[in-house]
Amino acid sequence: KQEVTQIPAALSVPEGENLVLNCSFTDSAIYNLQWFRQDPGKGLTSLLLIQSSQREQTSGRLNASLDKSSGRSTLYIAASQPGDSATYLCAVKGANAGKSTFGDGTTLTVKP
Amino acid sequence: DGGITQSPKYLFRKEGQNVTLSCEQNLNHDAMYWYRQDPGQGLRLIYYSQIVNDFQKGDIAEGYSVSREKKESFPLTVTSAQKNPTAFYLCASSPGVAYNEQFFGPGTRLTVL
Repeated sequence: KQEVTQIPAALSVPEGENLVLNCSFTDSAIYNLQWFRQDPGKGLTSLLLIQSSQREQTSGRLNASLDKSSGRSTLYIAASQPGDSATYLCAVKGANAGKSTFGDGTTLTVKP
Repeated sequence: DGGITQSPKYLFRKEGQNVTLSCEQNLNHDAMYWYRQDPGQGLRLIYYSQIVNDFQKGDIAEGYSVSREKKESFPLTVTSAQKNPTAFYLCASSPGVAYNEQFFGPGTRLTVL
């Protein structure tokens, strides 16, 4: 059974800092990995999707990497801003293509 | 405006009642999903549908039922058999199942009184 872990559970940084969020998974037989952002009481906003054959994806200040062999993905946020404060979740789509397994998320606070 | 809509935003249920949560999408996506989120936790899959008139159980399907009579609509019924239904419910869709990005609706918060 796929298990997805996100560490740390919470992170607080000063504005302008570069930071890395981690996502690890136990079964490397995956279709893709997706990073989301969730604001309190809201739905999820897709940030980046990495297919199993890809190593990384970039969008603006965000860069996500994927290392299937070690079961790890990282989300790099450059020059963090207070507006980046949210919970970030990763989801892994495994061998059963209909099912995604989510981590519990990392809650990020960026202080002005 | 393309997207996924969920209604209502807030729903209150008395014990023993069935309630139905609505999910509609105008993205022409084949696949639709229902997830449950409890405080401080990630999402758990309840049901998913890859095509009209077909749906599969997820990890926590007990006490829930769904239908997929139209491509745009995937309603979720929370039955009285669901022992702890208070949670945030999220609907999602994707063009297909395997390699595609999932897009989410705004969610419905269900509270049992």
